[in-house]
Amino acid sequence: TQLLEQSPQFLSIQEGENLTVYCNSSSVFSSLQWYRQEPGEGPVLLVTVVTGGEVKKLKRLTFQFGDARKDSSLHITAAQPGDTGLYLCAGPMDSNYQLIWGAGTKLIIKP
Amino acid sequence: SQTIHQWPATLVQPVGSPLSLECTVEGTSNPNLYWYRQAAGRGLQLLFYSVGIGQISSEVPQNLSASRPQDRQFILSSKKLLLSDSGFYLCAWSVGRGYGYTFGSGTRLTVV
Repeated sequence: TQLLEQSPQFLSIQEGENLTVYCNSSSVFSSLQWYRQEPGEGPVLLVTVVTGGEVKKLKRLTFQFGDARKDSSLHITAAQPGDTGLYLCAGPMDSNYQLIWGAGTKLIIKP
Repeated sequence: SQTIHQWPATLVQPVGSPLSLECTVEGTSNPNLYWYRQAAGRGLQLLFYSVGIGQISSEVPQNLSASRPQDRQFILSSKKLLLSDSGFYLCAWSVGRGYGYTFGSGTRLTVV
């Protein structure tokens, strides 16, 4: 069974600090996606990583796909209150059109 | 550009009443369509998905049903709502397997 585990589940830090959240699995994924969701809204796709070892940057956000394609990380540099939200990782199932979702990391950046 | 519309944004319904949530996609053809439910502040539970008109796959036995009467229209329904049907419902589409999803803005359903 393919599963995605996210850690930490909850993170509250001060503005300006750096942080990393993780998305781990014992299974290999062909790609992984990261989403950010704000309260009362649908998740918004941030990035898709496809190649093992791939690093993608989106302003202060750096996404990395593990060499073995079993894990991914999201690093935020100099976090800002606007980064507050629920961060979700997801990967395609081998057998059908579904995505497997992590349970999410709830991030709060305090001014 | 592609857009997804989901309505209503909020809904309060009595137990035993029917439900119809609608989702439409513009700017694309033959999208994969999805209905999810989300517990407060946590991950997503897939309810239904569809890869074509009239093709519905159900993931969780429940009091809900879905239909896709047109290529870009996806409807979530119930004949009689239960208290446990309360939640945040999200519609999404994608172009195919492995591609990212675009979500609607969600419907907050409260069954009273």
